[in-house]
Amino acid sequence: NAGVMQNPRHLVRRRGQEARLRCSPMKGHSHVYWYRQLPEEGLKFMVYLQKENIIDESGMPKERFSAEFPKEGPSILRIQQVVRGDSAAYFCASSPAELAGGYEQYFGPGTRLTVT
Amino acid sequence: AQSVTQPDIHITVSEGASLELRCNYSYGATPYLFWYVQSPGQGLQLLLKYFSGDTLVQGIKGFEAEFKRSQSSFNLRKPSVHWSDAAEYFCAVGARRDDKIIFGKGTRLHILP
Repeated sequence: NAGVMQNPRHLVRRRGQEARLRCSPMKGHSHVYWYRQLPEEGLKFMVYLQKENIIDESGMPKERFSAEFPKEGPSILRIQQVVRGDSAAYFCASSPAELAGGYEQYFGPGTRLTVT
Repeated sequence: AQSVTQPDIHITVSEGASLELRCNYSYGATPYLFWYVQSPGQGLQLLLKYFSGDTLVQGIKGFEAEFKRSQSSFNLRKPSVHWSDAAEYFCAVGARRDDKIIFGKGTRLHILP
């Protein structure tokens, strides 16, 4: 059973371009979480999605950031008109069901975004 | 609001010595708690978790943690560290009413030969 997959592993964008980060959850997992990690910081929650639904996006910046998890295919985190402050590692995690039920999150290797 | 504090940014121990990494949380109800380890350039690996029951939790790689409700702490311990334990360790707390996990800022562990 393959783990959580993220691609690309490294992404370089110029200011003003769009960044698309992809996350394929573990097989059988229908819950996806996105986190951002800045240097010397822990992971900051961004958004929690289930198939075709955004459950909690309280950690997402109000502008330029969006996320989706379609019925088919990977979850996508999209950052429009990137700025230097968007440079960070973005991690995706998946779980088979709600964490409150005792399930745990499995993390992908991350995408390191660099904005030049 | 939920919060997690890891008071030590860096810790250095000698190989073979014992280890304790501190974690304190702030939360109004009974949380569930996690410790994760992250090697450089890698994702996070779960070491152990506490949901309920026995407050002393055993994890992988010889780690254990103890949930102390009175102290709002969930410290991670290992009796004898190995050079391969050098990494960054994150404590995290989750709420039972939602599926959001809050991470501490991490403790970077250095091992002296």
